Amino acid sequence: EIVMTQSPATLSLSPGERATLSCRASQNIATTLAWYQQKPGQPPRLLIYYASNRATGIPARFSGSGSGTDFTLTISSLEPEDFAVYYCQQRRIRPDTFGQGTKLDI
Amino acid sequence: QVQLVQSGAEVKEPGASVKVSCETSGYTFTDYYIHWVRQAPGQGLEYMGRINPDSGGADFAQKFQGRVTLTRDTSISTVYMQLSRLTSDDTAVYYCARLWGWTISGVSSPAENWGRGTPVTVSS
Repeated sequence: EIVMTQSPATLSLSPGERATLSCRASQNIATTLAWYQQKPGQPPRLLIYYASNRATGIPARFSGSGSGTDFTLTISSLEPEDFAVYYCQQRRIRPDTFGQGTKLDI
Repeated sequence: QVQLVQSGAEVKEPGASVKVSCETSGYTFTDYYIHWVRQAPGQGLEYMGRINPDSGGADFAQKFQGRVTLTRDTSISTVYMQLSRLTSDDTAVYYCARLWGWTISGVSSPAENWGRGTPVTVSS
């Protein structure tokens, strides 16, 4: 199965700053990648699908890029509600797999 | 609107089985796979497998092969996940989800919905 590796494990920033989260796939997955945000006690929330498409209702400060094996989620200016855990997920090759997550800390 | 409503929390002894339900509404049940993802306490997301509600066919991550059974009842638009031979490592929140990507017929679809999760605790 495809291994998804996220970095860093923890990212400590302040509101208003720019966040850059990375995800690397162990094989070429084209653009079949998503980014999720998860807060405690809640299911994951889809932010980005097919690497760069914002899901319905997701603010424009969230953007995704990349293809092949290297992907990036950028949050242009952090809002207080953005501090959460972020996961990448590939859906190119069965079974789907998730990265281990990046915790975005204040 | 689309809803995935899961059954309530479960407590099981080691060696037992658990069956979690996921009742769907608001869309055509047989058009989309239903996937199962679990999350152990303080850990990340782990993909388990999916079922095709139209055919009943299912596939799984290798880790869960032989221990997970996915079934569906089309008359009530509900999917069931049964996990057998439970150990303490199976203590987790289990989610059902309709994931982005494509419909069963292969049409691209951004549709995405998750259940609220079912906590399963395995303890003697």
